[in-house]
Amino acid sequence: AQKITQTQPGMFVQEKEAVTLDCTYDTSDPSYGLFWYKQPSSGEMIFLIYQGSYDQQNATEGRYSLNFQKARKSANLVISASQLGDSAMYFCAMREATSGTYKYIFGTGTRLKVLA
Amino acid sequence: GAGVSQSPSNKVTEKGKDVELRCDPISGHTALYWYRQRLGQGLEFLIYFQGNSAPDKSGLPSDRFSAERTGESVSTLTIQRTQQEDSAVYLCASSSTHRGMSQPQHFGDGTRLSIL
Repeated sequence: AQKITQTQPGMFVQEKEAVTLDCTYDTSDPSYGLFWYKQPSSGEMIFLIYQGSYDQQNATEGRYSLNFQKARKSANLVISASQLGDSAMYFCAMREATSGTYKYIFGTGTRLKVLA
Repeated sequence: GAGVSQSPSNKVTEKGKDVELRCDPISGHTALYWYRQRLGQGLEFLIYFQGNSAPDKSGLPSDRFSAERTGESVSTLTIQRTQQEDSAVYLCASSSTHRGMSQPQHFGDGTRLSIL
């Protein structure tokens, strides 16, 4: 069974508008971390934002925020004021605390295209 | 530099040859990961090293694939008797295991492997 699901293979957004990229996850571990990465066409993986399962507040990093809905097991990435440079693949990932492993599970990604 | 370093950046080889890919993690990072990314696809987990523990090899697709790590430093991924289906970008990442769950993975630029 998929532990991380990204249902949007591709998204378009107009420059300067906000966009939400969906991510749902499946775990029975009460302690876990959720990560978002950006992969531009150049190929490097760039860490964007982190949300811990016990964090009371939604994480924010500049124009990135994470809409964390624990009961729904969703961790959607919100990008505000989209820029052309935001065009990239975006991956959601999860790390579970079970057995102390530092293994990460990635979703299949969402390709975002920002339109001028 | 201070980042994860992978070499070579590109490798073209004939079907049936063996290849060795190298990863230098960030100094002090005890966890090291290898992923495969086929064109336009997500990240496929291959193997994970954590300190002196036995590596998690659950993602290796066949016995043609193997990886080693020397202590908490360099890792090599070896693919024997390469097949055309092995053509992909191989990404290495490392992470710290201090300060709990919030540690992101730091990725190298990858090795683009092409099998003729």
